[in-house]
Amino acid sequence: DIQMTQSPSSLSASVGDRVTITCRASQGISNFLAWYQQKPGKVPKLLIYAASILQSGVPSRFSGSGSGTDFTLTISSLQPEDVATYYCQKDNSAPYTFGQGTKLEIK
Amino acid sequence: EVQLVDSGGNLVQPGGSLRLSCAASGFTVSTNYMSWVRQAPGKGLEWVSVIYSGGSTYYADSVKGRFTISRDISKNTVYLQMNSLRGEDTAVYYCARHLDGFDFWGQGTMVTVSS
Repeated sequence: DIQMTQSPSSLSASVGDRVTITCRASQGISNFLAWYQQKPGKVPKLLIYAASILQSGVPSRFSGSGSGTDFTLTISSLQPEDVATYYCQKDNSAPYTFGQGTKLEIK
Repeated sequence: EVQLVDSGGNLVQPGGSLRLSCAASGFTVSTNYMSWVRQAPGKGLEWVSVIYSGGSTYYADSVKGRFTISRDISKNTVYLQMNSLRGEDTAVYYCARHLDGFDFWGQGTMVTVSS
C-alpha cells in the first residue's frame, strides 16, 4: 500500500507568516491528493482536492500544489483561526490513506 | 442541505460487536462513495472502509475480516458492523461522503472498547 508522509509533524509560526506543509507519497498518485483541516474538538474539513483545487468557501490564503509524489499546502498569511492539525490524503483508490498530520500553532 | 448523522457508538467489551449508522439527507448514498474514518484519542485520522456506488467494498488491513460496511437504500443510511472488537478500535468514528475528497462528514460517534 502507498504510504503518505507529512513534514513537519508540528510547526509554530507568527500571524502573517507564510506557512508550508509538505506531503510525500511512497508511489506516484498523479494529482489525487486532498488536504484537510481539523480544529481541536471539531470534525475534519476539506480544504483542497485534486492537489490544487480550493473547496468552496475556503479562504484564498490556502493553496495546494504538486503532482506525482510530492505535494505542498501553503497558507500565504497565517491567521489566528488557522490553528489546527492539517492532514493530507491519497484520493485515487482504496486504501484512502491519510498522512500522520501536521499540528500548526501560533508563536 | 447535505447532512450526515452518525450514531450507534457505545462502550463495549473486548470481543463484542457494535453497529454504527450514518443517516444521510440532501443526497443519495447509493449514487455516492461513502467511507468510514476513525480517530483514536489524541491520534490522527485513519481511513477504515468504503462502499462504492456500484456496491463494491474495501477495508483497511486493521479491520479486514472483522468490520463490514453496508447501506440501506430505503433508509438512505450507511452502516458499519464491527465484530471481534479490540482495545485498539477505541476511537471516534466518522462517516464521510467521498466526491472530490471527503467533502461532507458526520459529527462522529464514540466507540470505547474496554472491560
